[in-house]
Amino acid sequence: NAGVTQTPKFQVLKTGQSMTLQCAQDMNHEYMSWYRQDPGMGLRLIHYSVGAGITDQGEVPNGYNVSRSTTEDFPLRLLSAAPSQTSVYFCASKTTGTQGTYEQYFGPGTRLTVT
Amino acid sequence: AQTVTQSQPEMSVQEAETVTLSCTYDTSENNYYLFWYKQPPSRQMILVIRQEAYKQQNATENRFSVNFQKAAKSFSLKISDSQLGDTAMYFCAFITYSGAGSYQLTFGKGTKLSVIP
Repeated sequence: NAGVTQTPKFQVLKTGQSMTLQCAQDMNHEYMSWYRQDPGMGLRLIHYSVGAGITDQGEVPNGYNVSRSTTEDFPLRLLSAAPSQTSVYFCASKTTGTQGTYEQYFGPGTRLTVT
Repeated sequence: AQTVTQSQPEMSVQEAETVTLSCTYDTSENNYYLFWYKQPPSRQMILVIRQEAYKQQNATENRFSVNFQKAAKSFSLKISDSQLGDTAMYFCAFITYSGAGSYQLTFGKGTKLSVIP
């Protein structure tokens, strides 16, 4: 299993540009989520999905869109990039069953810089 | 609101010594899991150890162990025989399940651990 994969690893955008961060998992996990990591802030939840066709907002959703058309993929779209969105972005997935350890599996992260 | 507090932004330890990273949390839920994640310079988030809140026995994983005090809402990580490869940011986190597939994962702000040769 590849686990959780993210592309690209690095990206530089100009203010106002749009782009999509890709996330895919091959573990058949129902739950997927996006976090951003900023210095001194830990990880903050942007959006999450409990299954195909179902998404919801997290703690810091403004400026981001998501969709979940398949179980495997959960792309994050930046509509009009702003310097405040400079961050490292992590995608994660887990099973939604009540059995198990609730452990989330993280992708390798995408470092995004907006100039 | 659920919170995680890591009161030590930075720590250092001599190689082969033991170090303890502290973590306190707050939740009104009774059913949850606690985690320590390690993030080395490679940026990958790596699960170090997990603890089920309903278990009284402290989790151990090789050189890593936790001291889980549920009543005090404390979840510290002890690293024994510290190695240079343990140098990383360490995040304390917990996840609660509130039904209908709804989860809340809360992270602390991290402790930067440096292992000194």
